[in-house]
Amino acid sequence: GEDVEQSLFLSVREGDSSVINCTYTDSSSTYLYWYKQEPGAGLQLLTYIFSNMDMKQDQRLTVLLNKKDKHLSLRIADTQTGDSAIYFCAEPGGYQKVTFGTGTKLQVIP
Amino acid sequence: NAGVTQTPKFQVLKTGQSMTLQCAQDMNHNSMYWYRQDPGMGLRLIYYSASEGTTDKGEVPNGYNVSRLNKREFSLRLESAAPSQTSVYFCASPVAGGTEAFFGQGTRLTVV
Repeated sequence: GEDVEQSLFLSVREGDSSVINCTYTDSSSTYLYWYKQEPGAGLQLLTYIFSNMDMKQDQRLTVLLNKKDKHLSLRIADTQTGDSAIYFCAEPGGYQKVTFGTGTKLQVIP
Repeated sequence: NAGVTQTPKFQVLKTGQSMTLQCAQDMNHNSMYWYRQDPGMGLRLIYYSASEGTTDKGEVPNGYNVSRLNKREFSLRLESAAPSQTSVYFCASPVAGGTEAFFGQGTRLTVV
């Protein structure tokens, strides 16, 4: 079965880079996701990476995938207070299900 | 285009009471899911429906029932609420191929 793990909390200063890490177990995943949950809201897809890629960059976001170690990371450059949220790593399961990690709460200190 | 709509947003129940959480999607998706979110545990799948007329248990189905009323609607019922069911509940619906799941705003349920 799938199992996705993340650290629970990360605190960074505004303007610094944030790196949120994730480990997963299902090596057959064709892609992996990062979702963002702002306070009081549902989850929204932030970005995803295909398993045949090792890096994807989208403006301030960089996703790195190490398939050998089953490790996924999300780097946010120049972190802003608006980036404060919970970030979930996720991978698809059977029947279009999505398995989510425990979520990492990012706190940005002004 | 509203996406996924959940009602209610907040609810307080007494132990033993019943209630139904409603979810509707207007994206013509086949699949719909119910998750619960608890601190430090991420999102856990309660039930899912891969298509109209089918439902299946997820990771934590005990104490819940679901109904896929039609393609748009997927409801979650608590027949006899327990304090352990205090949680935030999310309905979600993925696009075909599963590249993205759209979420409702959540229902914050407290059972006292």
